[in-house]
This record gives sequence, C-alpha cells and structure tokens, in this order.
Amino acid sequence: DSGVTQTPKHLITATGQRVTLRCSPRSGDLSVYWYQQSLDQGLQFLIQYYNGEERAKGNILERFSAQQFPDLHSELNLSSLELGDSALYFCASSASGVNSYEQYFGPGTRLTVT
Amino acid sequence: GESVGLHLPTLSVQEGDNSIINCAYSNSASDYFIWYKQESGKGPQFIIDIRSNMDKRQGQRVTVLLNKTVKHLSLQIAATQPGDSAVYFCAEKGGVGNLIFGKGTKLSVKP
Repeated sequence: DSGVTQTPKHLITATGQRVTLRCSPRSGDLSVYWYQQSLDQGLQFLIQYYNGEERAKGNILERFSAQQFPDLHSELNLSSLELGDSALYFCASSASGVNSYEQYFGPGTRLTVT
Repeated sequence: GESVGLHLPTLSVQEGDNSIINCAYSNSASDYFIWYKQESGKGPQFIIDIRSNMDKRQGQRVTVLLNKTVKHLSLQIAATQPGDSAVYFCAEKGGVGNLIFGKGTKLSVKP
C-alpha cells in the first residue's frame, strides 16, 4: 500500500458527460501528479500540483482540468468525454526536497466511456 | 526529444533464475531514473532509483545498472519468484518534474 488513495475505483459513463476523479496523497506529501495510462500510449503525465498551486503541465487536454485543495487532496475533472478518454487514471504523490522524483502511485481509477 | 524505450515487450523466466530487463533512453542529459513494477489491477510500485552519478545501485534482490555511454539502463532481479510477475517500467526524470515512462516489459515467471 503506497498510502495514496483514489476514488472511485471504477467509473462508467457516456460520451459527452463530465466526471471527477479524486486523489488523496500520502501524509505529508505536497506534490500531486496525475497520469493517464492507455494501451496505446502507456503512462502519460498530465499535470502536477504542489501545495495547492499548478506546477507543471504535460499532455493534458483542454477538456481536462485539475485542482489541489488546502487539505492537499486533488481532483481531476474530465469533461465532454470521448470514447478515447477511456483509460486508467493514476495519481501519484511525492515529498518536497531532494527525493521529490520518487513518486508513489495510487491504485488508479478505471474510466470507461461508452 | 526525450524518450524512454524498452528492448523487449515480454520476458519469460524460470522460477529461481535471474531476470534482466533492459531500457534505453535518448536524452543524454537525463540525471535520474526509476524502475517501477505494476501488477495487474494495481498502480505502479516504486522499486529502485539511480542518479546519473552512479553506475550501479542495489536493493533487495534487485540491481539497477546505468551505462551512460550507450544510454542504457537495466534492472536485474535475482532468484525470480512468481510474485515478481508484473509489468516493469523504467522512467526518466522529465523537464518539468514529471516522469517519462517507457512502454513496459511484461515479466512472466514459470514455476
């Protein structure tokens, strides 16, 4: 158990809908990362938050957004969903400091868009 | 550009044998690498990391070797066990604090 929690575990929704994925980082970790894992693209970095502020962006679509709250939990919002958005979405967290690249992953949310 | 790739998509070994999983990277400026293990239905699990100022690092039953000359990384698992069956990813530190993952190698351990 990495200490990172994600909910829900599974999500099935229709095209055009909007969903919110939730992540709680390990206790004390200030950074939260979101990744998408699909069969054809592997693990792709989406976005990073550090202590409530957006820190870095990767291959995140404009239909997707995220935020990190004062209690450090994070939410990833996916809107106008398309079939191609079906994937596993992982949250990872890391501490600040020299070991900040040592990221610990949650169990993921499996999103299926029908 | 930055990219991390894997030589073999699948690897099958006998229980008790040693396993070697390889990874190539393209960015010669990369200074930090991580190996992750992902079991079916779970998130990636940190195994071991190495910085570019090292050639070798050992953990419990695992060793990571870094050859900067040929931009190659390998993960060695000693006395492979059925519980080692998983997909193994190498990852490279990206330019914005993220990790850039390779496609993964599926390790199957035969009893």
